[in-house]
Amino acid sequence: GEDVEQSLFLSVREGDSSVINCTYTDSSSTYLYWYKQEPGAGLQLLTYIFSNMDMKQDQRLTVLLNKKDKHLSLRIADTQTGDSAIYFCAGCWAGSYQLTFGKGTKLSVIP
Amino acid sequence: ETGVTQSPTHLIKTRGQQVTLRCSSQSGHNTVSWYQQALGQGPQFIFQYYREEENGRGNFPPRFSGLQFPNYSSELNVNALELDDSALYLCASSSAGKGTDTQYFGPGTRLTVL
Repeated sequence: GEDVEQSLFLSVREGDSSVINCTYTDSSSTYLYWYKQEPGAGLQLLTYIFSNMDMKQDQRLTVLLNKKDKHLSLRIADTQTGDSAIYFCAGCWAGSYQLTFGKGTKLSVIP
Repeated sequence: ETGVTQSPTHLIKTRGQQVTLRCSSQSGHNTVSWYQQALGQGPQFIFQYYREEENGRGNFPPRFSGLQFPNYSSELNVNALELDDSALYLCASSSAGKGTDTQYFGPGTRLTVL
């Protein structure tokens, strides 16, 4: 089945850029998502990209997709303390009804 | 536009009991998916409901069951609770019938099994 991998921790200084990385195994066409989860809360959709795109930008967020390497990244520009949270990469592969999630990357922003 | 809501927020049960969790989908959405998120893990897909029928199921035993109602709201039922069922249960709604449309999540129900 599909597998999604993420590094578990990332620490950045306030005002710097954060880059959160994700790799996946299934090469079929798909939507790929980034969700944010704050402590004790549900998942907030941040952005998504379809696999026929290379890049998507939405205000401070930039998503890059390298289909050859099956690598997805989320860049957060000008990272703020309010960006401290767990970020999940997820995919919904063709023919599937389900989102497959990575284990999440905990982003800590140092003031 | 009303977002996805879930009830209750927290629940404590003992082993062997049964529990029902509820979810109201976002307005305009007709599909509901349920996920289990254990501590420190990513969410795991339980099942999805579309037009009041189960539309796909993850690797969960039959004691996990669900319903979808004509107003698209949904219930997750878990029988014979086990300690490992302790988790955050997330409901997500979407507007497509085959699950590839964007899923929007509710705040979750935290279930503790003692």
